[in-house]
Amino acid sequence: DAGVTQSPTHLIKTRGQQVTLRCSPKSGHDTVSWYQQALGQGPQFIFQYYEEEERQRGNFPDRFSGHQFPNYSSELNVNALLLGDSALYLCASSSPTDDYGYTFGSGTRLTVV
Amino acid sequence: DQQVKQNSPSLSVQEGRISILNCDYTNSMFDYFLWYKKYPAEGPTFLISISSIKDKNEDGRFTVFLNKSAKHLSLHIVPSQPGDSAVYFCAASDRGGGSNYKLTFGKGTLLTVNP
Repeated sequence: DAGVTQSPTHLIKTRGQQVTLRCSPKSGHDTVSWYQQALGQGPQFIFQYYEEEERQRGNFPDRFSGHQFPNYSSELNVNALLLGDSALYLCASSSPTDDYGYTFGSGTRLTVV
Repeated sequence: DQQVKQNSPSLSVQEGRISILNCDYTNSMFDYFLWYKKYPAEGPTFLISISSIKDKNEDGRFTVFLNKSAKHLSLHIVPSQPGDSAVYFCAASDRGGGSNYKLTFGKGTLLTVNP
């Protein structure tokens, strides 16, 4: 049973560019959340998608946007990249019937130069 | 304003001994707490959780203790094994009984278990 799959694993972008990260949730999960983990920090909540709508949002600017598709997969888009956006971006899936918290993917390492 | 704090960036213990990782929180609305383990180049892996209605939860070598009055929880690993060496994150949520919750993480503690 595949867990959470994220692509790409690594990415290098230039300041001002735009980036799209992708996530496929664990089978049976319908909720997708995105987290940003900066170096030396814990993961920080960006937003959560359920039924193709943004259900909750953390303290991130509008440059961060997302989408969820009918098959529950999700994308995270970041516009006008800043050096400070360099981080590990983690996707996590969950379900109301799964009481074991989130299942995380291995993340996408984004480097902005 | 860090709502979940792990004040020890690192901890080193001998194989076979007990590892105790600590976590403090400030938000009184938190009612569900989790510990995650993270190896390099992997995502966090769920380890154990505890609801605020309990003060202890045990799963094999792992036990989590919750002291609500002190807003403190700890993870005990007994006996510690070299494979336990990883970064451990404490996380909390005000889940309200549904899946509509977000996690607030601490900065993590790097545990090293020496053979």
